[in-house]
Amino acid sequence: AQSVTQLGSHVSVSEGALVLLRCNYSSSVPPYLFWYVQYPNQGLQLLLKYTSAATLVKGINGFEAEFKKSETSFHLTKPSAHMSDAAEYFCAVRNQGGKLIFGQGTELSVKP
Amino acid sequence: DAMVIQNPRYQVTQFGKPVTLSCSQTLNHNVMYWYQQKSSQAPKLLFHYYDKDFNNEADTPDNFQSRRPNTSFCFLDIRSPGLGDAAMYLCATQIPGTGKYNEQFFGPGTRLTVL
Repeated sequence: AQSVTQLGSHVSVSEGALVLLRCNYSSSVPPYLFWYVQYPNQGLQLLLKYTSAATLVKGINGFEAEFKKSETSFHLTKPSAHMSDAAEYFCAVRNQGGKLIFGQGTELSVKP
Repeated sequence: DAMVIQNPRYQVTQFGKPVTLSCSQTLNHNVMYWYQQKSSQAPKLLFHYYDKDFNNEADTPDNFQSRRPNTSFCFLDIRSPGLGDAAMYLCATQIPGTGKYNEQFFGPGTRLTVL
C-alpha cells in the first residue's frame, strides 16, 4: 500500500531563509506524488506534482521538489522564504485504488 | 475562471440537527470528492462520484450521505451531527485527463461547527 510520511509537524524559518519540508513515500509501484498548500480556512492548492517525467519538479510560488527514488523522498524546497509562505503543507501519493493518500501535514511558520 | 464553490463557507448546527453542505463546480468534471479534515489533520476521503456512480469509503459512517443530482452539484448530508463531526469539509474534482495520477482541484471548504 502507498503511504507518505512528513517529517516534522512544525517547521519555522526566518524570512529569506531556505525552506525544506520533508516527505518520504512508500510505494510498491512507481509513485505519483503531490505537494499541496493550505492557508487558514481555505481549501488545498496544488503546488507541484511528480508524474514520472523530470525528477526535479518546479511549482508555483518559487517552490520545487526533487524525486529521489534511492531515498524514497520528495522533499519540498524554496530558496528564500517569504512571510506569505506561512501555511500548512501536505504531501500526497496516489494509491493503487486511484485515490490520494495525504501525509499528516507540516505547518510552516516564517519569522520576520 | 473555472471554480469549485462551496456553500456556506461556515455552518453552525446543533447536536443531532441534520445539515447539508453544498458543492458546485463550473468545470464539468466527472469525478467529485468529499473529504473531512479535522483540526491539524490530513484530509480524509469520505466518498467520491464518477459521474453518478457513488463510491463510499469503507470507514465512512452511515451518518454521512451524499447526493449528486447533476454534474455540477454535489451535496453532503449529515443526518445527525455529533460533536465529533465538527471539521472542515472539502469538495474536490479530478482534473480531466489526469486519471492516471489523479490531480485534484479543491474548493475553499465549509467549516462545520456543532453546538
